[in-house]
Amino acid sequence: GAGVSQTPSNKVTEKGKYVELRCDPISGHTALYWYRQSLGQGPEFLIYFQGTGAADDSGLPNDRFFAVRPEGSVSTLKIQRTERGDSAVYLCASSLIGGTGETEAFFGQGTRLTVV
Amino acid sequence: AQTVTQSQPEMSVQEAETVTLSCTYDTSESDYYLFWYKQPPSRQMILVIRQEAYKQQNATENRFSVNFQKAAKSFSLKISDSQLGDAAMYFCAYRFPFSGNTPLVFGKGTRLSVIA
Repeated sequence: GAGVSQTPSNKVTEKGKYVELRCDPISGHTALYWYRQSLGQGPEFLIYFQGTGAADDSGLPNDRFFAVRPEGSVSTLKIQRTERGDSAVYLCASSLIGGTGETEAFFGQGTRLTVV
Repeated sequence: AQTVTQSQPEMSVQEAETVTLSCTYDTSESDYYLFWYKQPPSRQMILVIRQEAYKQQNATENRFSVNFQKAAKSFSLKISDSQLGDAAMYFCAYRFPFSGNTPLVFGKGTRLSVIA
């Protein structure tokens, strides 16, 4: 697609439920990032994929959070046993890898998750 | 660990006037990248301007320019001839891309209002 697409745009779920958030990156972008943006804060890193593998998952807050990217394109962020503190905007970004140096990250419009 | 600090939670500017948003950061690296992102109500992070730390010349993009003071670890954004469409959250961000594709580190943001 022309840009990074995230679905759903908004998700309301009950505490304790399981949710999946989807990110469809720009075609050909091998790097994919998930960030979480809590109210009044800047985005915070969750996990980074290079191709199909999670190159860095150090930002995942606990083992209720998991993400996959099985074919090196679409990624799904999965949250088990959701808690009210998980409420936030989840942003996805992709970029083209070209060795070291800067490659611009393009962001989607995020999924606003509300846990009630 | 790298940190980014934005000390102005909110700023306002009259239309057609100039405003400066402040950002300081902390890093032990000598080469890195700095960014300003704009986040309108649509939630999508839009790159406004970027600066490579090894370049002494301040980056400019049309009405947007930066004042990069490497020794002081300061990176302010100047918006000239402010327009109503400039109203948004602005985030300063840092990235060290020289050991894999490392994630962006964001500040908490500054909400900019433009007064007609």
